[in-house]
Amino acid sequence: SAVISQKPSRDICQRGTSLTIQCQVDSQVTMMFWYRQQPGQSLTLIATANQGSEATYESGFVIDKFPISRPNLTFSTLTVSNMSPEDSSIYLCSGGDRKVTEAFFGQGTRLTVV
Amino acid sequence: AQSVTQLDSHVSVSEGTPVLLRCNYSSSYSPSLFWYVQHPNKGLQLLLKYTSAATLVKGINGFEAEFKKSETSFHLTKPSAHMSDAAEYFCVVSDRDSSYKLIFGSGTRLLVRP
Repeated sequence: SAVISQKPSRDICQRGTSLTIQCQVDSQVTMMFWYRQQPGQSLTLIATANQGSEATYESGFVIDKFPISRPNLTFSTLTVSNMSPEDSSIYLCSGGDRKVTEAFFGQGTRLTVV
Repeated sequence: AQSVTQLDSHVSVSEGTPVLLRCNYSSSYSPSLFWYVQHPNKGLQLLLKYTSAATLVKGINGFEAEFKKSETSFHLTKPSAHMSDAAEYFCVVSDRDSSYKLIFGSGTRLLVRP
């Protein structure tokens, strides 16, 4: 199994600013994903983080708002840009093998935008 | 496209009684299915997974699920609920047509009464 660490675990940010969330995996994983969990809701996939190339975004999510980097097989970042209160959510990083026979999740980053 | 439907947003049981959390899936082929649990302010933990092997899958903490192709169901059960089982449960399908990304159901909140 893989252990996924996210930083920060929580933050309170001013509207209009940006926050970068880091995701570190303790072993190489083929696939990495970023999810958003709005208050009281299920998880929604933001994008698939691709090593060395642009992330693949889901419908409703754009690179300008959620730029993602993945420089290697163990690390990825998600930036939430120009934040508004509607961005207040838990953001989760996930990693798995190529066919995602099992996906591991970080503890999440609880973001509050004021 | 793959999808899962969790039929109950809330389930309430008494401690010591059986638990049934219902999940139906939609897939054009044999899917990979998972159940994850999320305790309050905690990360996601994998309970069990089905990846086309035995149709009755046993997981952690006494949970099990049965894959029924004829009914397109993957219900989660436990013979006897414990207070510590109170949490949010997510049924999840892996989308083979799209980088095996995980598609989450809407979640079922399990309440356990003393």
